[in-house]
Amino acid sequence: QKEVEQDPGPLSVPEGAIVSLNCTYSNSAFQYFMWYRQYSRKGPELLMYTYSSGNKEDGRFTAQVDKSSKYISLFIRDSQPSDSATYLCAMSANQAGTALIFGKGTTLSVSS
Amino acid sequence: NAGVTQTPKFQVLKTGQSMTLQCAQDMNHNSMYWYRQDPGMGLRLIYYSASEGTTDKGEVPNGYNVSRLNKREFSLRLESAAPSQTSVYFCASSEAGEGQLFFGEGSRLTVL
Repeated sequence: QKEVEQDPGPLSVPEGAIVSLNCTYSNSAFQYFMWYRQYSRKGPELLMYTYSSGNKEDGRFTAQVDKSSKYISLFIRDSQPSDSATYLCAMSANQAGTALIFGKGTTLSVSS
Repeated sequence: NAGVTQTPKFQVLKTGQSMTLQCAQDMNHNSMYWYRQDPGMGLRLIYYSASEGTTDKGEVPNGYNVSRLNKREFSLRLESAAPSQTSVYFCASSEAGEGQLFFGEGSRLTVL
């Protein structure tokens, strides 16, 4: 079983839809959870960063962590064509960048 | 604000040739990383440098060498390129002990 599983998609939604992106993991020691957004032919950029369980909201984006289920989600409200990108989840047991484990990414396409 | 700058952006090599990918960051970060990204494989850590003067192997170091030239610069060298090294290479940096990585735009390498 891979440490981090992420459905690669692609996921296609109309503009204005609510999008749910998800990752599951197997290592119960993970405490730090991140979502990166990667536009085509660009580098990943950090979108959300959360520690332990709970929700974090930033504008149209909400990150949710359920450690009991080993499941994290990223919700995008009122999705826009500019949200079309690949979303990578990442997580680690400690704050060291070297410990980061990435999911393979979900490709999202938002049509106008 | 440049952030993390990688050169070259594109390169085509023949099997057996050597080359160096350059990376520089202007955020005064202590830690720097080299990743490769392949379809279906996600991001994999090649080498990292926790601080100036130190380097360590990541998940897939074979066939690569690195040099942390100073605090700003971290280069990745392929001594004898192989087709299996065809990939997109990303340099990243972070504050020491932080898992929030800042990525460059990537270097696309093709080995024929």
